[in-house]
Amino acid sequence: QQPVQSPQAVILREGEDAVINCSSSKALYSVHWYRQKHGEAPVFLMILLKGGEQKGHDKISASFNEKKQQSSLYLTASQLSYSGTYFCGTEIPGTYKYIFGTGTRLKVLA
Amino acid sequence: NAGVMQNPRHLVRRRGQEARLRCSPMKGHSHVYWYRQLPEEGLKFMVYLQKENIIDESGMPKERFSAEFPKEGPSILRIQQVVRGDSAAYFCASSPGENEKLFFGSGTQLSVL
Repeated sequence: QQPVQSPQAVILREGEDAVINCSSSKALYSVHWYRQKHGEAPVFLMILLKGGEQKGHDKISASFNEKKQQSSLYLTASQLSYSGTYFCGTEIPGTYKYIFGTGTRLKVLA
Repeated sequence: NAGVMQNPRHLVRRRGQEARLRCSPMKGHSHVYWYRQLPEEGLKFMVYLQKENIIDESGMPKERFSAEFPKEGPSILRIQQVVRGDSAAYFCASSPGENEKLFFGSGTQLSVL
């Protein structure tokens, strides 16, 4: 039931790009993305509500394909501050249960 | 406008003792979620509450764990007779409604000796 994220971990050099995927076996009506730095609480990045919707925030953007039940997070020209663990989150349709994906650990090196 | 407040930040208990974790949601937020996180792992859903109601507790162990969100005061996650396996970070999150983004507290790190 838990959305599966890929890759599990990725190491980048500053300035490189990365894509993080989130796939669900259940229908998704919306997807949220969060970043958690080590020892801290997760922080909301963005929400995608409609199939095919794309959003951008600075150099981080995301897409949501409702039909494929998946979302992707795009990080371009990565900065050291992008390091952390990224989680997709979603509310299971028909319930009030809000669950998170398996997580992707991202490390950006200078 | 204060964020989600959790306390204590760190809690040390001996096996068999009780642990009480508190969470005050953001002002205006009526939805509270509790999650458990082991080191280097993801966020595992435990329970979802609204004021005076447990809406979904499917992620809570059947024994020793309970949660409440009273009409007045913070939400409480209670763990009775703690065991070493209960050691984890417990995060509380709140939202203003369904399918809204979650705002997280700083978490409580529970250590059971």
